[in-house]
Amino acid sequence: AQSVTQPDIHITVSEGASLELRCNYSYGATPYLFWYVQSPGQGLQLLLKYFSGDTLVQGIKGFEAEFKRSQSSFNLRKPSVHWSDAAEYFCAVVSGGATNKLIFGTGTLLAVQP
Amino acid sequence: ETGVTQSPTHLIKTRGQQVTLRCSSQSGHNTVSWYQQALGQGPQFIFQYYREEENGRGNFPPRFSGLQFPNYSSELNVNALELDDSALYLCASSLGQGEVEQYFGPGTRLTVT
Repeated sequence: AQSVTQPDIHITVSEGASLELRCNYSYGATPYLFWYVQSPGQGLQLLLKYFSGDTLVQGIKGFEAEFKRSQSSFNLRKPSVHWSDAAEYFCAVVSGGATNKLIFGTGTLLAVQP
Repeated sequence: ETGVTQSPTHLIKTRGQQVTLRCSSQSGHNTVSWYQQALGQGPQFIFQYYREEENGRGNFPPRFSGLQFPNYSSELNVNALELDDSALYLCASSLGQGEVEQYFGPGTRLTVT
């Protein structure tokens, strides 16, 4: 069965520091992968997506992610974190089948220190 | 272009009661999916509606039911509420059945006491 693992429940970085959030997936074929961000009490905002092609994808707010098939990973990165990036981040994979439902990881909560 | 909207924003119910949550899909989208996000968890798929028919269902009991209307808006109904039903309920719409990209609404926060 498809699954997504986000090994880091909580990460704290200093403002201006670089960031990498880890995501590992389990999926038999080429996956469709997403990163979403959720601010407190809010819905999900799409940061970026990977469907095929270039394995380094650019998203909004200066985020990027790299798809590595050999490692079954889709890690999210940002070179310089801003205080407004504090939020919860979710990695998701499309399940396939009739619904193409999203399967989410448990999320990584990012705190940004001044 | 109007995005996905949900109502109400917040709701408090008592155990055993019934609740209806509403979702208006993004313009031009005929498929709606519902997800439950418990505190500290990622969203979990409840079911999907395509052209007024249930298209697929996750691991949720039958007391979770839904409807989709001709204008593609949707309702999520939960009967016999339990404390564990307390969660953020997210609606997502997509252009069609099988479309991989889904657009999420802001969610409805349900608290069951």
